[in-house]
Amino acid sequence: GAGVSQSPSNKVTEKGKDVELRCDPISGHTALYWYRQSLGQGLEFLIYFQGNSAPDKSGLPSDRFSAERTGGSVSTLTIQRTQQEDSAVYLCASSPLSITYEQYFGPGTRLTVT
Amino acid sequence: RKEVEQDPGPFNVPEGATVAFNCTYSNSASQSFFWYRQDCRKEPKLLMSVYSSGNEDGRFTAQLNRASQYISLLIRDSKLSDSATYLCVVNTMNRDDKIIFGKGTRLHILP
Repeated sequence: GAGVSQSPSNKVTEKGKDVELRCDPISGHTALYWYRQSLGQGLEFLIYFQGNSAPDKSGLPSDRFSAERTGGSVSTLTIQRTQQEDSAVYLCASSPLSITYEQYFGPGTRLTVT
Repeated sequence: RKEVEQDPGPFNVPEGATVAFNCTYSNSASQSFFWYRQDCRKEPKLLMSVYSSGNEDGRFTAQLNRASQYISLLIRDSKLSDSATYLCVVNTMNRDDKIIFGKGTRLHILP
């Protein structure tokens, strides 16, 4: 079956602009995660959605970052007023149930803020 | 103590050798454990879940030591294609779910 997909694969934007990144999880997966990874660094947790529960936003680095998940499926990560330090690969993952299950990652969106 | 800690490496290992990595974790209430591999400029991919009884998948063996709070990954008869970064993941479900990725151990298999 289809894996996790993300779009766009690459995004170049000017400092101060808003960007939206999209994630389509594996069908039927109830848990969805966003991470970011800077070059040569580890994964930084951003936000976690589990079913209809309130999302865990504890990893969002500032109020410029927000995410939503519509209909328990597709998720959008929005970054407002982008800064150069936002440049990174943004990875989305989904898992069948809760965090006790393995995660399947999408290919990521490489964001470059100029 | 960091929540999840891995030796960053790099480990430079000749082809055919056996190599082992450890990953330590600080929360004794952690409940599920995984190893992922990440190739350069690619997304992480699940390598193995880690079970209390230990588990093996071909050349790969994963172990969990709850008393000492670490998980390990052993790779036997290493191949050039094993070159990657290996990430350990520790999940905790208490009052708050928590997912912690280690920063990874880089492995280079040398011909």
